[in-house]
Amino acid sequence: GAVVSQHPSWVICKSGTSVKIECRSLDFQATTMFWYRQFPKQSLMLMATSNEGSKATYEQGVEKDKFLINHASLTLSTLTVTSAHPEDSSFYICSARTGSSYEQYFGPGTRLTVT
Amino acid sequence: AQKVTQAQTEISVVEKEDVTLDCVYETRDTTYYLFWYKQPPSGELVFLIRRNSFDEQNEISGRYSWNFQKSTSSFNFTITASQVVDSAVYFCALSKTSYDKVIFGPGTSLSVIP
Repeated sequence: GAVVSQHPSWVICKSGTSVKIECRSLDFQATTMFWYRQFPKQSLMLMATSNEGSKATYEQGVEKDKFLINHASLTLSTLTVTSAHPEDSSFYICSARTGSSYEQYFGPGTRLTVT
Repeated sequence: AQKVTQAQTEISVVEKEDVTLDCVYETRDTTYYLFWYKQPPSGELVFLIRRNSFDEQNEISGRYSWNFQKSTSSFNFTITASQVVDSAVYFCALSKTSYDKVIFGPGTSLSVIP
């Protein structure tokens, strides 16, 4: 089956710094990737949709300048949390989809803690 | 607008009991897709099932079964003879098209007690 990886699996950073999370499709080309955020004991909330080679589409209420998404290749999308604050601490999950399939494959998630 | 409701926040059952997780959805689209995902304590989502709006047949997969009723906009999930390994958060989800974003319900936390 299709595999999506995320790196790192967990990260701790200091308030005010930036942190980058990678999402890779290991055995397929992902034309579309989705980024979700999940706070403790809550559901997954879609942050943005990114298509390879074009700008990401952000959901209402998500700050584009704070959560930078780059989908520069068919196997890699990155989410950069800029000037992180403790309230950005969350579980970030990506999913990837090929152009020919409706199946979304989810990554294992990255747990971000901002101190 | 699309919305998924899972009224049961937490459920606790004793091992070997059957349990049904409720899911009610809202959409104005005539074509849509419904999903169930399992999220164990590790956090990684596990895909369980996808069903399109034209297929109202109930589905059974081992101890899992799903009941899709368009008349009541429900897509309920039943685990038969529950096991401790079934303990997880279960999410019902909805997608407008096969290529669109997935809208997740709030989730139901299931605890199976030995």
